[in-house]
Amino acid sequence: ETGVTQSPTHLIKTRGQQVTLRCSSQSGHNTVSWYQQALGQGPQFIFQYYREEENGRGNFPPRFSGLQFPNYSSELNVNALELDDSALYLCASSLSAGTTYEQYFGPGTRLTVT
Amino acid sequence: AQSVTQLGSHVSVSEGALVLLRCNYSSSVPPYLFWYVQYPNQGLQLLLKYTTGATLVKGINGFEAEFKKSETSFHLTKPSAHMSDAAEYFCAVTSSENNDMRFGAGTRLTVKP
Repeated sequence: ETGVTQSPTHLIKTRGQQVTLRCSSQSGHNTVSWYQQALGQGPQFIFQYYREEENGRGNFPPRFSGLQFPNYSSELNVNALELDDSALYLCASSLSAGTTYEQYFGPGTRLTVT
Repeated sequence: AQSVTQLGSHVSVSEGALVLLRCNYSSSVPPYLFWYVQYPNQGLQLLLKYTTGATLVKGINGFEAEFKKSETSFHLTKPSAHMSDAAEYFCAVTSSENNDMRFGAGTRLTVKP
């Protein structure tokens, strides 16, 4: 059984650029959630995708957008990067929609915006 | 809205001593409560969770937590700390009525030899 994988591991971007982060969910999972974890803080919920549709969103601006594909992998896109977007971005997959099912986290993508 | 407060950003214990990490929650609906552990440069791993039923929840690696509704608490304990327990621990709350999991700011556990 393959766990949740994320790519790339690290990324450095310049303010104003756009970035795409990728996540492969665990086998059998149809739901993916994305979190932003700033240094020294707990993860903050960005949004969740269930069967290719957005299924809940946290307090993040529209320049944070996502996609989920038929194989349930997912992308997080961030436009017009700001310095405060520097963080660890975590992807988590689960068996079904909502957050009451156990979420399996990937190792994260460390994004640095300069 | 739901929220979690973790008391103490850093906790230091000696190897073999009791580990107690504190978590208080706020929720207007029945909560689901979780404890996660994060090792350096890794994602989060679930230690245990409370949904309904038994208020004392046992998790992996000898950890357990007790849901106390009257105190709105879900503290994490382990009778005897091991060096490998050194990590960041996060308490989180959600419910069956929303898709937003709220995490606390985390507690860094240090284990001294």
